[in-house]
Amino acid sequence: EVVLMESGGGLEQPGGSLTLSCVASGFSFRDYAMGWVRQAPGKGLEWVATITGLGDAPYYAEFAKRRFTIYRDNSRNKVYLQMKGLRVDDTATYYCAKDRGYNWNFFDNWGQGAQVTVSS
Amino acid sequence: DIQMTQSPSSLSAFVGDRVTITCHASRDIGDRLNWYQHQPGKAPRLLIYDASRLQMGVPSRFSAAGSGTDFTFTITYLQPEDVATYYCHQYHTLPPVFGGGTKVEIK
Repeated sequence: EVVLMESGGGLEQPGGSLTLSCVASGFSFRDYAMGWVRQAPGKGLEWVATITGLGDAPYYAEFAKRRFTIYRDNSRNKVYLQMKGLRVDDTATYYCAKDRGYNWNFFDNWGQGAQVTVSS
Repeated sequence: DIQMTQSPSSLSAFVGDRVTITCHASRDIGDRLNWYQHQPGKAPRLLIYDASRLQMGVPSRFSAAGSGTDFTFTITYLQPEDVATYYCHQYHTLPPVFGGGTKVEIK
């Protein structure tokens, strides 16, 4: 059974930084791309970033470029989302998700989400 | 970016009803579309991939069709546990984009 568990969410001030973590189990982690999707309060789902199985190619939504970094540690079965220069509109539930293949495609398993609140 | 227009944004139907949601892509995406179910407080769940293929373990009352720019998603016999928001999602071209969602409720 695929299990994805996010951690690291919380309250941060505008301009601050936060790093989300996601630990995965139940599949061969290095063989699959991993990503993050967020949902702001009252809004729909929004793709944030995806990273390939060996971490050699990250892809970002336009809003995430220059502020967010996705990376992974295949020895620990973990994927991370480092967020800098946080803005109020980054407030959202952030979901970790497993892709169906090595490169970006679509997500076939998701975590329960980590809440990020950006407020002064 | 490809735009995904989903309709309706919400609907209310009786248990046992047939429910249909549509999704329109701003350009041809072939069959690179899937459908997710998202219930409050839960992880999103993949229901359909490659436009019409049922994900393993998903009940057969869920189905979908379409290719190119126009797609449909159908629940043939609505159940109380189907209350959720449903999203289409294109993965033909970066960035992957979700439709705006359809909130399904029971009358």
